[in-house]
Amino acid sequence: DTGVSQNPRHKITKRGQNVTFRCDPISEHNRLYWYRQTLGQGPEFLTYFQNEAQLEKSRLLSDRFSAERPKGSFSTLEIQRTEQGDSAMYLCASSLAWDTEAFFGQGTRLTVV
Amino acid sequence: AQSVAQPEDQVNVAEGNPLTVKCTYSVSGNPYLFWYVQYPNRGLQFLLKYITGDNLVKGSYGFEAEFNKSQTSFHLKKPSALVSDSALYFCAVREANNAGNMLTFGGGTRLMVKP
Repeated sequence: DTGVSQNPRHKITKRGQNVTFRCDPISEHNRLYWYRQTLGQGPEFLTYFQNEAQLEKSRLLSDRFSAERPKGSFSTLEIQRTEQGDSAMYLCASSLAWDTEAFFGQGTRLTVV
Repeated sequence: AQSVAQPEDQVNVAEGNPLTVKCTYSVSGNPYLFWYVQYPNRGLQFLLKYITGDNLVKGSYGFEAEFNKSQTSFHLKKPSALVSDSALYFCAVREANNAGNMLTFGGGTRLMVKP
């Protein structure tokens, strides 16, 4: 499968715990994005990487959230001290260039109990 | 700032009939426009895009969309709907000179195609 891969697909965690999600983009894509989607809503932009550089962060990305893309390949999104409001689908996407479409992974569904 | 409006939460259409899913946008410069489809418990699948050129764009699964600059719209259309087209559809926009490629999505429209 040469698409965007996200792991895990589902994560249930207790409030206050830390969680980490992984995204493996399409191999030749140097642009990587994280979005968050809550039930009944469209995806909301969280952050953007070009290669290993994090170039843009949304105001939605509080200080409990951190994202990395250490070698310009896979990326991780960590949420510290999770809250019930963090429950959502976290989507990763990648694209080849500035004028091409982004391809999305199947997402990681986080449930904070 | 950029924004997208999808005025219909749900569109119902009979199989074989034409369908339209509406989208209007707002950007300060020229827009890049996209349609994505989402099936239950799945990620978003790309359908089509408008970057430049012909205002009528053809995409996957027989879908097409028409870019109308004066009306700031990018409605999704299909001449003959299939039951399998039933899904959640998202319109997205980004400004052409937004180097970050950040997409702003509409709230989505659920398409229900009845046999």
